[in-house]
Amino acid sequence: QSALTQPRSVSESPGQSVTMSCTGTSSDIGGFSYVSWYQQHPGKAPRVIMFDFDKRPSGISNRFSGSKSGNTASLTISGLRAEDAADYYCCSYGGSRVVFGGGTKLTVL
Amino acid sequence: QVQLVQSGAEVRRPGASVKVSCKVSGHRLTELTMEWVRQAPGKGLEWMGGYDPEDGETVYAQKFEGGVTMTEDASTDTAYMELSSLRSEDTAVYYCATRNTNTGAFHYWGQGSLVTVSS
Repeated sequence: QSALTQPRSVSESPGQSVTMSCTGTSSDIGGFSYVSWYQQHPGKAPRVIMFDFDKRPSGISNRFSGSKSGNTASLTISGLRAEDAADYYCCSYGGSRVVFGGGTKLTVL
Repeated sequence: QVQLVQSGAEVRRPGASVKVSCKVSGHRLTELTMEWVRQAPGKGLEWMGGYDPEDGETVYAQKFEGGVTMTEDASTDTAYMELSSLRSEDTAVYYCATRNTNTGAFHYWGQGSLVTVSS
């Protein structure tokens, strides 16, 4: 299984919104609903911020939202804050296999 | 609340093997789906494999088949990941994480174990 495709980096100013994409195929994102997103700060373990494309775990801010269109999943962060600067990974599970995206580095200018 | 506590950093020579442990608290390991993910320095997350409750078997990513063994000790609620024939490219932080079978997401993560392979 090939890795899901994510832009290597995105940047935006505080208070603005940013959307990052995650492109797969009909064999993963397009075919299954088990898509999740993870936030990782340097030196820390990843933490889940979105699952089933658009569901937030308890404790995750409603500034985070997710969506899907065809073979592409998207994560939007609104009202950007300095603490949102991190690496973000998408992940697809299906057919007993897991595949991660290459990750997107978010810079909050 | 599930907590995963992993073993400490390890240094190995090329060709050697390493065994990383992941102790579960707050829940029984047998009720969880434990999987392993690694991250090479400056690189992204890479799924290695884990237990598939649908089949009752451990599934390994194709890249790691034959080179990694994942086991569990129910009596101590501890999961293990053993990687053999180590190469420098195996230098990475290794994470255990529990996958929720209803959401497919990894909701709980260990703190990571750094394995350094160097001659």
